[in-house]
Amino acid sequence: QLQLQESGPGLVKPSETLSLTCTVSGGSISSTYYYWGWIRQPPGKGLEWIGSIYHSGSTYYNPSLTSRVTISVDTSKNQFSLNVSSVTAADTALYYCARLTPGGFLFYFDYWGQGILVTVSS
Amino acid sequence: EIVMTQSPATLSVSPGERATLSCRASQSVSSNLAWYQQKPGQAPRLLIYGASTRATGIPARFSGSGSGTEFTLTISSLQSADFAVYYCQQYNNWPPVYTFGQGTKLEIK
Repeated sequence: QLQLQESGPGLVKPSETLSLTCTVSGGSISSTYYYWGWIRQPPGKGLEWIGSIYHSGSTYYNPSLTSRVTISVDTSKNQFSLNVSSVTAADTALYYCARLTPGGFLFYFDYWGQGILVTVSS
Repeated sequence: EIVMTQSPATLSVSPGERATLSCRASQSVSSNLAWYQQKPGQAPRLLIYGASTRATGIPARFSGSGSGTEFTLTISSLQSADFAVYYCQQYNNWPPVYTFGQGTKLEIK
């Protein structure tokens, strides 16, 4: 059974960089067909896609966040990571990592991690 | 960006009854639409993809329909475990720009 687990600091100061890692178990991040992604959910609010990555390193970002977001992959550790720079209180959210699986030539989220709450506060 | 609008925001239904949730896209997404269920303190769970295909392990009382801009999630004979927040999500673009609806909270009447 595929499992994803987010890890990283739960508290980040304003203007600093938020860094999270997603560890994949029960499957290989280098599998041919899958992308891997990050989604966030501010407390009491809806879901926002942040970005996605393929094991080759190809990335796609939400246009509203692209200037501050970097997603990377480490296939040797079966992990992928998220950096969000210059954070503000608006970046406070539950951050999820997820797998994207193909439906034809397009992809939807089929497995999710449990999420990690990141609070931006001094 | 494709805007997804769900209605109603909150739906009150009695156990054993049918629930019908709606999702509208600001432009056609063909059948590239998914539905997720989220319970308090849990991650979203995939219910439906391709607008109408149930994900692995999802009970038959969950059904999805629609294409283009109008979609419906129907839950027949509601059980206590079904009271949760439901999100629709489109995945029609490449390169991708995934967007979610704001959610419908299904509560016990």
